[in-house]
Amino acid sequence: ETGVTQTPRHLVMGMTNKKSLKCEQHLGHNAMYWYKQSAKKPLELMFVYNFKEQTENNSVPSRFSPECPNSSHLFLHLHTLQPEDSALYLCASSQASGRAVDTQYFGPGTRLTVL
Amino acid sequence: AQSVSQHNHHVILSEAASLELGCNYSYGGTVNLFWYVQYPGQHLQLLLKYFSGDPLVKGIKGFEAEFIKSKFSFNLRKPSVQWSDTAEYFCAALSGNTGKLIFGQGTTLQVKP
Repeated sequence: ETGVTQTPRHLVMGMTNKKSLKCEQHLGHNAMYWYKQSAKKPLELMFVYNFKEQTENNSVPSRFSPECPNSSHLFLHLHTLQPEDSALYLCASSQASGRAVDTQYFGPGTRLTVL
Repeated sequence: AQSVSQHNHHVILSEAASLELGCNYSYGGTVNLFWYVQYPGQHLQLLLKYFSGDPLVKGIKGFEAEFIKSKFSFNLRKPSVQWSDTAEYFCAALSGNTGKLIFGQGTTLQVKP
């Protein structure tokens, strides 16, 4: 399954670094999502993009900055993160957003460690 | 607030045992329900989904789930598990109102050979 790819797969960064996570979907979808998966907690929706427009920001701190240049690519820019931001960051895509028929397909995730 | 609860956090079974994982959701309106699986080192994959029609839904790899509206439940079942079913299982609900997919906290299933 290579429908949704994410790079890098692992990232270690200091609190003063700036880094970016990349997601690419090859499924012809129009909606893309960022989720955060922390240990022992449910997946948390962070951002939703529909047709390149941000339609959801789930009260995410500004140290996380998403970018969606086109329907196939989604970035998450990171700066001045905190150790509690260490988690698995998952990207997903679907045909559109919010409809039951629009199954979300997930990428493998980026395992982020903030030192 | 809308939420999804999975009662079992960690389940250990022997091969050929029957499986039932509980899932309850809190939203009372139109809701569509999903089970995802995450095998070790792999990405989340859809097992099955319900959005209308027959409340008994069959998915991949012999899994099924039953939507019981009166109990706000969508339990996952498999009559005979295999070692390869060892994974983490997530129940999720898509609210027809908000369009958000809300996940439960996940259940880790360990199948002993």
